[in-house]
Amino acid sequence: DTEVTQTPKHLVMGMTNKKSLKCEQHMGHRAMYWYKQKAKKPPELMFVYSYEKLSINESVPSRFSPECPNSSLLNLHLHALQPEDSALYLCASSHGQGTRGYTFGSGTRLTVV
Amino acid sequence: QQPVQSPQAVILREGEDAVINCSSSKALYSVHWYRQKHGEAPVFLMILLKGGEQKGHDKISASFNEKKQQSSLYLTASQLSYSGTYFCGTAIFTSGTYKYIFGTGTRLKVLA
Repeated sequence: DTEVTQTPKHLVMGMTNKKSLKCEQHMGHRAMYWYKQKAKKPPELMFVYSYEKLSINESVPSRFSPECPNSSLLNLHLHALQPEDSALYLCASSHGQGTRGYTFGSGTRLTVV
Repeated sequence: QQPVQSPQAVILREGEDAVINCSSSKALYSVHWYRQKHGEAPVFLMILLKGGEQKGHDKISASFNEKKQQSSLYLTASQLSYSGTYFCGTAIFTSGTYKYIFGTGTRLKVLA
């Protein structure tokens, strides 16, 4: 299995909703990442988990809450989002520090209304 | 710290060649290249680790200069399937760990 699977593919939520994005990989990668990508812009790093511990939080607002229940799963919990949070959210994983490259999931297209 | 890519956008006819550059003000630990098609995830193309390194597969190749501050991606005899946005990326060591950042991106469109 050489894929990163993200669900759901599309999500529309209101500003008072609570939702979660899920990411799963079975490649034995021990580093997992959340990126946010706006249209026509490069992905921006949000969080890094290394061996299931949060190692980097790029000053992301607390309305985004990551969770890594085990080495194969990564969640992003969403609460009280703003319309400007609408974007493509990408999950990625890598061996170690990623020197062999990163594998990305197909993303969740999030729209906040 | 974000690598800067040039050109920002390029339009080609099938069979033409293109070069995409990725530049940094500081030496990079490594450089990766990705292609992203509209609405899809970035797809890993290749990684370069050493100054002076060149590598490639099929008609896509890349180089990393000796000072490790510039990398170039070469697309030869372009095909329609090459259309997309190309990103270089690099790992930056900070706070005891590596974090990965992408370059500014180059939009490539190949016309029939």
